Amino acid sequence: GEDVEQSLFLSVREGDSSVINCTYTDSSSTYLYWYKQEPGAGLQLLTYIFSNMDMKQDQRLTVLLNKKDKHLSLRIADTQTGDSAIYFCAESIDTDKLIFGTGTRLQVFP
Amino acid sequence: DAMVIQNPRYQVTQFGKPVTLSCSQTLNHNVMYWYQQKSSQAPKLLFHYYDKDFNNEADTPDNFQSRRPNTSFCFLDIRSPGLGDAAMYLCATSRGANTEAFFGQGTRLTVV
Repeated sequence: GEDVEQSLFLSVREGDSSVINCTYTDSSSTYLYWYKQEPGAGLQLLTYIFSNMDMKQDQRLTVLLNKKDKHLSLRIADTQTGDSAIYFCAESIDTDKLIFGTGTRLQVFP
Repeated sequence: DAMVIQNPRYQVTQFGKPVTLSCSQTLNHNVMYWYQQKSSQAPKLLFHYYDKDFNNEADTPDNFQSRRPNTSFCFLDIRSPGLGDAAMYLCATSRGANTEAFFGQGTRLTVV
């Protein structure tokens, strides 16, 4: 079945790295995504990874995928206050649908 | 320039009074989605269109309907809004499976 879970909150100091974790249950996921949602706004795609990859780096963002454990993580280097938002992981499984995780609220303090 | 546009940004409706939310896109994407997002929850897919083909999620209440008169526009109709339907409604588009979904800013619906 389709189930995507994340921890609810993460608090980090400005300049530190943030790591947001996600677990999913459907092993047939083909693409996994990270979206960012700022207060009162829609979702913005940050990055994605294809299921045959282990890692993808894009500037301050690093995505790690452990397919065996069905675990996805997003690392944000040098976290800034502007990174404070809710982060959703999402999976697509060869359909038109995106299934979202529960979201992790990242709070960055000075 | 905004590529997925939702109107209005904020909508207040009375309990039981039909309401329509609208979404338009300039991307010419095949797929248009409607998601419901309640406070502190994940977006929940209500239904989506692949071109004119309508795909309803099994647990979407009958109270929710959708129309897609052309490629650019898609509407969400709530026939008899209840207090539990108060939420942010997000429209998204994509070219199809395993492609990036582009989201609008959302319409926040309040039911009074």
